[in-house]
Amino acid sequence: DAKTTQPNSMESNEEEPVHLPCNHSTISGTDYIHWYRQLPSQGPEYVIHGLTSNVNNRMASLAIAEDRKSSTLILHRATLRDAAVYYCILREHASGSARQLTFGSGTQLTVLP
Amino acid sequence: EAQVTQNPRYLITVTGKKLTVTCSQNMNHEYMSWYRQDPGLGLRQIYYSMNVEVTDKGDVPEGYKVSRKEKRNFPLILESPSPNQTSLYFCASSLTQVSYEQYFGPGTRLTVT
Repeated sequence: DAKTTQPNSMESNEEEPVHLPCNHSTISGTDYIHWYRQLPSQGPEYVIHGLTSNVNNRMASLAIAEDRKSSTLILHRATLRDAAVYYCILREHASGSARQLTFGSGTQLTVLP
Repeated sequence: EAQVTQNPRYLITVTGKKLTVTCSQNMNHEYMSWYRQDPGLGLRQIYYSMNVEVTDKGDVPEGYKVSRKEKRNFPLILESPSPNQTSLYFCASSLTQVSYEQYFGPGTRLTVT
């Protein structure tokens, strides 16, 4: 399985943008890039996913490098509620099937008031 | 409200005493799975089910059983719990196995003494 590398922890100030990096140099052509987050004492929560193009949704933006070997999750205005562990996950999608989600250790985001 | 529910949320038991953790979803999802989360090891998949009466092993199935008699329910059964099954357990569901977004329950913290 292709592996992802994320910083163990990051800090951000409230109401400022946050860029969470993820390296995945061995990504394959059928791997989608997924981001989940886990707030304290809760189950993981889907954030966003993408394949090649940058993606935006109500929670965040996902910027994917042209060679797909890295990606960045962007929270446009961090709030205290965004403090969580953020997981970058590669998931292979082939025709009619997909591999399970494999969670790594993620990045612990601390948001400072 | 669309959700995945788990019961109980907290359980302390003794070695060898059979227990069941229930999981239910109200979204008519075909795919359901169980994960355990341990410090330093991340989330690991125990079992999954692609539809009613279809279950398969994940990465760490030893010591666990599951059943999928109805679409909405996917109980996790520990026939003879041992202390190494002390963990935080999450149930998850998605529309199909290839769906991009998985919904996680709130977690069940199990302690086996």
